[in-house]
Amino acid sequence: GAGVSQTPSNKVTEKGKYVELRCDPISGHTALYWYRQSLGQGPEFLIYFQGTGAADDSGLPNDRFFAVRPEGSVSTLKIQRTERGDSAVYLCASSSGLSYTFGSGTRLTVV
Amino acid sequence: QQPVQSPQAVILREGEDAVINCSSSKALYSVHWYRQKHGEAPVFLMILLKGGEQKGHEKISASFNEKKQQSSLYLTASQLSYSGTYFCGTAYMNRDDKIIFGKGTRLHILP
Repeated sequence: GAGVSQTPSNKVTEKGKYVELRCDPISGHTALYWYRQSLGQGPEFLIYFQGTGAADDSGLPNDRFFAVRPEGSVSTLKIQRTERGDSAVYLCASSSGLSYTFGSGTRLTVV
Repeated sequence: QQPVQSPQAVILREGEDAVINCSSSKALYSVHWYRQKHGEAPVFLMILLKGGEQKGHEKISASFNEKKQQSSLYLTASQLSYSGTYFCGTAYMNRDDKIIFGKGTRLHILP
């Protein structure tokens, strides 16, 4: 597509529930990144894919967070047993070189 | 490893100049600058790869002092459209390394 697409744009879930956030990168971009951003803060790195494999998952806060990119294109970030502290905007970015193109994000609210 | 940005916030009148600084305690491979407007995704401005190299377009430019592990973003004759939060991001290993973002500098331009 023309840009990075993230769905849903907003997600409200109850504490303890499971959520999936989807990212559709720019066609042909091999690198895909997940960040999360809390109010007034910079994007915080979560995980990075090069093709289908996770090249660096050092930013995932704990084992409730998991991400996949099975065919090297669309990626899904999965959060189990959500907690109120998981509330944030989750940003996806893709890259074919040195600069990132970010999606508009998914605003996750855990109530 | 998060880069440190200064100042945290700037208020200018249209036409004035601004400088935003970014420093790292660790040797850098590259420095990236992004601008984010409220409720929107961060947008790429520029990347710097070499010590002392200066890049820019129109009235926004940046420098990168590799020895000091510092970068500065220069906004000349600011326009209302420059308002937003500016993030510097740093990568440490190579072109595929993840970007670690600073906390941001909020810039507000008054007419």
